[in-house]
Amino acid sequence: GNSVTQMEGPVTLSEEAFLTINCTYTATGYPSLFWYVQYPGEGLQLLLKATKADDKGSNKGFEATYRKETTSFHLEKGSVQVSDSAVYFCALGGYKLSFGAGTTVTVRA
Amino acid sequence: DAGVTQSPTHLIKTRGQQVTLRCSPKSGHDTVSWYQQALGQGPQFIFQYYEEEERQRGNFPDRFSGHQFPNYSSELNVNALLLGDSALYLCASSLYPTSGEETQYFGPGTRLLVL
Repeated sequence: GNSVTQMEGPVTLSEEAFLTINCTYTATGYPSLFWYVQYPGEGLQLLLKATKADDKGSNKGFEATYRKETTSFHLEKGSVQVSDSAVYFCALGGYKLSFGAGTTVTVRA
Repeated sequence: DAGVTQSPTHLIKTRGQQVTLRCSPKSGHDTVSWYQQALGQGPQFIFQYYEEEERQRGNFPDRFSGHQFPNYSSELNVNALLLGDSALYLCASSLYPTSGEETQYFGPGTRLLVL
């Protein structure tokens, strides 16, 4: 079945540092890939998505590229801010979303 | 444009009781999915409703049931509550079967505590 393996956290960074969160997947067919973000005490917000191989999703300075050859969808941001502190989830699409375990990111001022 | 709404925001129940959670989808969406998110984990798919019928189900017991109304809103019912049912319950809406678009939009969740 479909599954997602996500880099374990927690990750602690200083402001303006570079962030990478690794995500690899196993899937039948070619589902869409997503990154969702969850702030403390809230639901999930869609951060970005990619619907086919080599697509790059981007939003709020975050980027991720759908790599079929390495079955990966790593999330990157060049310069993080304190407001980026949250839990990030990689997810595989289809009729249901299959989520990774989540990576907690803390950005210090 | 109204997003996904859920009620109540928090709920405390005791073991053996029954609970009903409610969800209104994003405007224009016709499909509702429910997820359970235990503390420190990723959400797990419970089931999906489309055209007032359960179309897909995850690995959850029959104690978990649901309903979808003609206005596309949905309810999640859990009977005979167990301590392990304590979690954040998330509702998500989409247009998946209709359009093939896999993106799901989530509500803020209902936090259930079973004592």
